Amino acid sequence: EVQLVESGGGLVKPGGSLRVSCAASGFGFSKAWMSWVRQAPGKGLEWVGRIKSKSDVGATDYAAPVKGRFSISRDDSTNTLFLQMNSLKTEDTAVYYCTTYTTGRGFDYWGQGTLVAVSS
Amino acid sequence: QSVLTQPPSVSGAPGQRVTISCTGSSTNFGAGYDVNWYQQLPGTAPKLLIYGNANRPSGVPDRFSGSKSGTSASLAITGLQAEDEADYYCQSYDTSLGGRVFGGGTKLTVL
Repeated sequence: EVQLVESGGGLVKPGGSLRVSCAASGFGFSKAWMSWVRQAPGKGLEWVGRIKSKSDVGATDYAAPVKGRFSISRDDSTNTLFLQMNSLKTEDTAVYYCTTYTTGRGFDYWGQGTLVAVSS
Repeated sequence: QSVLTQPPSVSGAPGQRVTISCTGSSTNFGAGYDVNWYQQLPGTAPKLLIYGNANRPSGVPDRFSGSKSGTSASLAITGLQAEDEADYYCQSYDTSLGGRVFGGGTKLTVL
C-alpha cells in the first residue's frame, strides 16, 4: 500500500524558513517523480513543484510564486522527500501535500498534508 | 484566477446526473495536454478520480466518467449519491505558465 506521510509543518514568521518532509513507503520511491501541492485555507489546489527521479537527473521545476524561494530535494536511501521553504510570506500559508506524479496519470497518490502557517 | 475555469458550485438530487465543466485554452487543452480530475471529500486529502481524460483508477466507480474536446473538458457523475458530495478539481499542464495547473474547484452539493 502506498503511504505518504508529511511532517514538519508549523508556525513561522514572515521572512523565515521551514523544511517539511514526506516519508514514502509501499512503492519504488527511487524511481518515482514526486511533487508538492498546496492548499491555502478555504482555497483551491496549487502546484508547488516537482522533482524527477535520480535516473532522470533529479531535475526540479517550480511554480512561479515559489521559484527562487522554495527547493525540493530527495533522499532515496531513506525514501524521504523534502521541501525547503525560505523567505516565507503570509500568502504561503497552506496545507502542503506530498504527491507522486506519474506521466499520463497526474498526481496519483497523496499524503494527508502538513499545515504551514506564516504569521507574525 | 486559474487558467482552467470551473463553475464554483453544482448540485443535484440523489440518483441524478451532474456534469462539471473545465474550460481551458490553446496553451493547455488546445495544445494537446490531457486533463485529470481529483475528488476532495470534506476534511481529507484529494484523490485521483480520472486520468488521461477518461480513465478511472482502480476502485473508482464507473458512475464517474470524463471527456475532453478541444479546449474544454468535463466530468460526469451519474446515479448521484450523498457520498459524492465533495470538491472536484480538474488539472492539466499549461505551456504559458510552464507547469501543472489546477482549476479553481467545483463544490458538488447533493440535495
